[in-house]
Amino acid sequence: AQSVTQLGSHVSVSEGALVLLRCNYSSSVPPYLFWYVQYPNQGLQLLLKYTSAATLVKGINGFEAEFKKSETSFHLTKPSAHMSDAAEYFCAVSPRPGQAGTALIFGKGTTLSVSS
Amino acid sequence: EAGVAQSPRYKIIEKRQSVAFWCNPISGHATLYWYQQILGQGPKLLIQFQNNGVVDDSQLPKDRFSAERLKGVDSTLKIQPAKLEDSAVYLCASSLARQGPYNEQFFGPGTRLTVL
Repeated sequence: AQSVTQLGSHVSVSEGALVLLRCNYSSSVPPYLFWYVQYPNQGLQLLLKYTSAATLVKGINGFEAEFKKSETSFHLTKPSAHMSDAAEYFCAVSPRPGQAGTALIFGKGTTLSVSS
Repeated sequence: EAGVAQSPRYKIIEKRQSVAFWCNPISGHATLYWYQQILGQGPKLLIQFQNNGVVDDSQLPKDRFSAERLKGVDSTLKIQPAKLEDSAVYLCASSLARQGPYNEQFFGPGTRLTVL
C-alpha cells in the first residue's frame, strides 16, 4: 500500500531564509506526488505536482520540489521565505493509471512558521 | 469559475446527535470525494463518487456514516449518531473524470465539526 511520511511536524524559519519541507513516499511503483498548502480555515490548494519524467517541478509562489526515485523523496523548497508562506503543508500521493483508485493519500502535514 | 462549495462551515453538536454536510462540486466534475481531516493529521478519504455511483467507500464507517450523490451533482454526508472522535474538518473535493494521466482535485473550504 502507498504511504507518505513527512519529516518534522513543525518547521520554523526566518523571513528570507531557505524553506525545506521533507516528504518520503512508500510505493513499489513511483506514484504521482503532490504538495498542497492549507491556510487557516481554508481548503487545500495545490502547490505543485509530479506526474511526468521531469524530476524538478516548479509550482506557485516560488516553490519547487525534486523527485528522487533513489531516495523515494519529494522534498519541497523555496529559496527565500515570506511571512505569507506561514501555513500547513501536506505531501500526498495518488495511484497512476492502471493502479487502483484515484484518491489522494496524505501525509500528516508540516506547519511552517516564518518569523521576521 | 466557481469553486467547490460546502455548507455549513461550522457545526457544533452533542454526541449521539445527527448531522449532515452538503457539497456542491465544480460544474462538470464527475468525480467527488469526501475526506476527513482530524486535527494534527492529513486528510483521509471517506468516500469517492463517480457521477452518482460509489467508487470507493472502504474507509467509511458505515454503521454511522452515510453519503449520497443524487443526480451526480451535489452530495450530502451524514453522521448518525455522532461520536466524540468524529470531531474533524470534513473536506469535499471534485475533479474531472480521469481520462488522462491525472486530473487535479479541487477542494472546498471544509466543514469544521465539533462533537461535545
